[in-house]
Amino acid sequence: AQKITQTQPGMFVQEKEAVTLDCTYDTSDQSYGLFWYKQPSSGEMIFLIYQGSYDEQNATEGRYSLNFQKARKSANLVISASQLGDSAMYFCAMRDFYNQGGKLIFGQGTELSVKP
Amino acid sequence: EAGVVQSPRYKIIEKKQPVAFWCNPISGHNTLYWYLQNLGQGPELLIRYENEEAVDDSQLPKDRFSAERLKGVDSTLKIQPAELGDSAVYLCASSLEAAPTDTQYFGPGTRLTVL
Repeated sequence: AQKITQTQPGMFVQEKEAVTLDCTYDTSDQSYGLFWYKQPSSGEMIFLIYQGSYDEQNATEGRYSLNFQKARKSANLVISASQLGDSAMYFCAMRDFYNQGGKLIFGQGTELSVKP
Repeated sequence: EAGVVQSPRYKIIEKKQPVAFWCNPISGHNTLYWYLQNLGQGPELLIRYENEEAVDDSQLPKDRFSAERLKGVDSTLKIQPAELGDSAVYLCASSLEAAPTDTQYFGPGTRLTVL
């Protein structure tokens, strides 16, 4: 069965510093996609970044990058130059290409707090 | 471009009462999802629609939950009767299609409190 594990319930980072949020996953499928979402206190899930299992390059989107290590089954999110507005819950999610019919499997989330 | 719209944002009801949530997906998105998010956890899929057809409702508690997506656009999720354990956030999401690489875009959710 698919599973996403986020082992950091909460993280603190100083403003302007970089932070890494951990995500490991488990799947028997060879083709899958990995997603990161941000959920501020307002409740909306905001899409941040996507990595396909066959993508050779790590995905980047502005200040967000995904450190994808396929052999270790990890897909850590790196946020560079943290801003106060980055304080939120962050969820890692996975989608098998063939077995789950479009369903996203989410981890438990990591609460990030950015200190001024 | 407008995002996924949900209403109401908040709902407080007494147990055994019915409740309904409404979702309007991003224009042109054929696939619509309803997720349930309990406090401190990630969302879990309840049901997925491709156009008007519910193609995955295996996680929907059909004894009390129902959903519909008439004309393949807006969708309504209903609970009747509500129980205390239904208190949660109900998220609606949409994507262009159900392709694996299609990003799902979420609405702000409806926070349900059952007293």
